[in-house]
Amino acid sequence: RKEVEQDPGPFNVPEGATVAFNCTYSNSASQSFFWYRQDCRKEPKLLMSVYSSGNEDGRFTAQLNRASQYISLLIRDSKLSDSATYLCVGLPGQNFVFGPGTRLSVLP
Amino acid sequence: NAGVTQTPKFQVLKTGQSMTLQCAQDMNHNSMYWYRQDPGMGLRLIYYSASEGTTDKGEVPNGYNVSRLNKREFSLRLESAAPSQTSVYFCASCGVTDTQYFGPGTRLTVL
Repeated sequence: RKEVEQDPGPFNVPEGATVAFNCTYSNSASQSFFWYRQDCRKEPKLLMSVYSSGNEDGRFTAQLNRASQYISLLIRDSKLSDSATYLCVGLPGQNFVFGPGTRLSVLP
Repeated sequence: NAGVTQTPKFQVLKTGQSMTLQCAQDMNHNSMYWYRQDPGMGLRLIYYSASEGTTDKGEVPNGYNVSRLNKREFSLRLESAAPSQTSVYFCASCGVTDTQYFGPGTRLTVL
């Protein structure tokens, strides 16, 4: 079983929709989690860190459920520019563990 | 402030050839990483360097060597390239906030 798993998608949603991605992790030692965004043929870039109490950054909300070992990312009022691959990342020790990514396409 | 730079951006090699991928960061970060990204596999760690003068193997180190030349530079070497090493390679660095900054990537094809 992979340490970090994600539904690869693609998630095709209309502009303005709300979409949620989940990510599960197997290593309970992971203390920190992140969501990265990767545009086609570009490098990953940090979207937001995920805090235990949940956190919001504009239209983006991240949640962490340690009991069930999953992380979620909610995008409200999706824009065309949100189309990308979203990578879930854990930090169980010294090194980061990346999920395979979930592809989102926001359609006009 | 250029962040993380990588060269080359594209490379085609024949099986058995060698090459070195260069990476440099100007953010004074201690930790640097080399990943490869393949379809459906996500990013997999090849080698990392927690500080100048130290390097350690990651998940997929076979066929690669690294050198942490100084705090800024971390190079990845393929001594004898194989088609299985066709991939996109990303260098990254990380500071005290646990935020990773990635270079633009190197697309390598081994024929």
